Amino acid sequence: DAGVIQSPRHEVTEMGQEVTLRCKPISGHNSLFWYRQTMMRGLELLIYFNNNVPIDDSGMPEDRFSAKMPNASFSTLKIQPSEPRDSAVYFCASRLAGENNEQFFGPGTRLTVL
Amino acid sequence: AQKVTQAQTEISVVEKEDVTLDCVYETRDTTYYLFWYKQPPSGELVFLIRRNSFDEQNEISGRYSWNFQKSTSSFNFTITASQVVDSAVYFCALTGGGATNKLIFGTGTLLAVQP
Repeated sequence: DAGVIQSPRHEVTEMGQEVTLRCKPISGHNSLFWYRQTMMRGLELLIYFNNNVPIDDSGMPEDRFSAKMPNASFSTLKIQPSEPRDSAVYFCASRLAGENNEQFFGPGTRLTVL
Repeated sequence: AQKVTQAQTEISVVEKEDVTLDCVYETRDTTYYLFWYKQPPSGELVFLIRRNSFDEQNEISGRYSWNFQKSTSSFNFTITASQVVDSAVYFCALTGGGATNKLIFGTGTLLAVQP
């Protein structure tokens, strides 16, 4: 079975540009999570979805960040406009709710905003 | 509030030594889950183990073992006979049961195993 798939793996962009990160969860999983990892703040949850519905977006840093999950097999995290302080590794994780609570992580997207 | 503390920022050992990574947690939930994840230099996060709050039995998986003690709110991880491939950042994490899906991570412990 394929794990969580994220694209792109690396993204370099200039300040002010729009960035879209993509995630395909493990088939059958109905919870999806977006995390950001930085040296300063460690791993922090940005938002999570249950059955495609956003449940908690309190971790989204500001209005420049938005996330969508139009169907069970796809989610996006968009930053518009991007800023240098958004540079981080963004992880997507998925989980099968109700069975157990381990989340399976994708390989991450390393974002660099110049 | 939930919190996970990994007081050891960095540990360096020589290959074949045993090493224990400490994890202390705080939660008000009666049902909760504890996890360990490994992040090797390649960057991915690899799930190692899950423990629920009702199961205090220690677990052993090969060279890895976990000691869960509710009395001290600790969930420590021991690697026996460490190997260079064990070099990674190890994260302890906590989540509540039921509708609470947030995975609260500790700050991680960087383990360097020298040959």
